[in-house]
Amino acid sequence: DVKVTQSSRYLVKRTGEKVFLECVQDMDHENMFWYRQDPGLGLRLIYFSYDVKMKEKGDIPEGYSVSREKKERFSLILESASTNQTSMYLCASSPPGQGPYEQYFGPGTRLTVT
Amino acid sequence: AQTVTQSQPEMSVQEAETVTLSCTYDTSENNYYLFWYKQPPSRQMILVIRQEAYKQQNATENRFSVNFQKAAKSFSLKISDSQLGDTAMYFCAFRGAQGAQKLVFGQGTRLTINP
Repeated sequence: DVKVTQSSRYLVKRTGEKVFLECVQDMDHENMFWYRQDPGLGLRLIYFSYDVKMKEKGDIPEGYSVSREKKERFSLILESASTNQTSMYLCASSPPGQGPYEQYFGPGTRLTVT
Repeated sequence: AQTVTQSQPEMSVQEAETVTLSCTYDTSENNYYLFWYKQPPSRQMILVIRQEAYKQQNATENRFSVNFQKAAKSFSLKISDSQLGDTAMYFCAFRGAQGAQKLVFGQGTRLTINP
């Protein structure tokens, strides 16, 4: 069965801390994504990666960076957390190609920055 | 840039009723894919149904069907014989057929099925 896991369901951090959100998929997918979900705004793409060590900015990359050292793992990094980064963060993966492939989502990490 | 709009923030129906969730999108592309995802309370987002723009026939998955109107750029989701387990946030999403596999999501509709 397809599985995407995220390191934490809930996380509380202080302003200015460096925060790491980890995502692991077991489907051997090339594509991985990080979204943030906010009420009334839906999901917005932060960064995505289509191969190891490759990354591309999404729609809202400011304040975030990512790392993909292994195919199965995609990390989201908040270099200096701020209160406006309090949100739900969702990781997803999908196979390569141009077909109507679905994205498989993790359970999400609800991050609170105080 | 593509945009997706869901104009119904919340909806509520009785169990066994039929409900339709609206979605409109804006794009200049001719070929693309459209999706409906479901996010149950405290559970993972899952795909409900998908539609390829070049296919005229509307997609159907059991009790879920879509009304795809390409010229109107409309992609509504119909849930027939609604069940308590259909209670969830529903997101409409767009993806161009070329380039990166980025999804553009709508704002979401919170659907509650009442017993």
